[in-house]
Amino acid sequence: RKEVEQDPGPFNVPEGATVAFNCTYSNSASQSFFWYRQDCRKEPKLLMSVYSSGNEDGRFTAQLNRASQYISLLIRDSKLSDSATYLCVVNEVPNAGNMLTFGGGTRLMVKP
Amino acid sequence: EAQVTQNPRYLITVTGKKLTVTCSQNMNHEYMSWYRQDPGLGLRQIYYSMNVEVTDKGDVPEGYKVSRKEKRNFPLILESPSPNQTSLYFCASSSYLGTFTGELFFGEGSRLTVL
Repeated sequence: RKEVEQDPGPFNVPEGATVAFNCTYSNSASQSFFWYRQDCRKEPKLLMSVYSSGNEDGRFTAQLNRASQYISLLIRDSKLSDSATYLCVVNEVPNAGNMLTFGGGTRLMVKP
Repeated sequence: EAQVTQNPRYLITVTGKKLTVTCSQNMNHEYMSWYRQDPGLGLRQIYYSMNVEVTDKGDVPEGYKVSRKEKRNFPLILESPSPNQTSLYFCASSSYLGTFTGELFFGEGSRLTVL
């Protein structure tokens, strides 16, 4: 069983739409959570951290549900430039070198 | 400019021919790591290093070696490449002073094909 699971998509949405991705993790002791963005044929880059109380950064909102062991990413007013793969990342073993586990990614395609 | 630099970016080689993928970072980061990315499997960690002369296996270390003789460099060595090592490889680094903020800085990737 994968430790961090995501729906691979693709999610095809029109510009201006609101889209949400979920990610589930299996290790209940996981400490911290992040969303990374990866453009086609590029390296992943940190999009935002996910805090217990939920957090927002412009059109992006991240939420954590520890009881159900999932995190979510909501994108409002989608832009063409939001087209990318979004990677859910979990810090399962704090203070250890194998600290991050990546989900397989969810591909988003925003259409005109 | 803060960056992680990998070379080569693209390489086609044949089974058994030793190769090295170099990785260098200019951010004075303690932590460095190598990942491979394959369709449907996501990013998987190969090896990591917490500091100079400190390296350890990740999830998929078989067939790979690394070294960390200097803080800025973390080369990945394939002693005898095989076709199942055909993949997209990423080097990453992070400042790690006992607390991880979540930001890994990745190189641009090295696409390796082993025939």
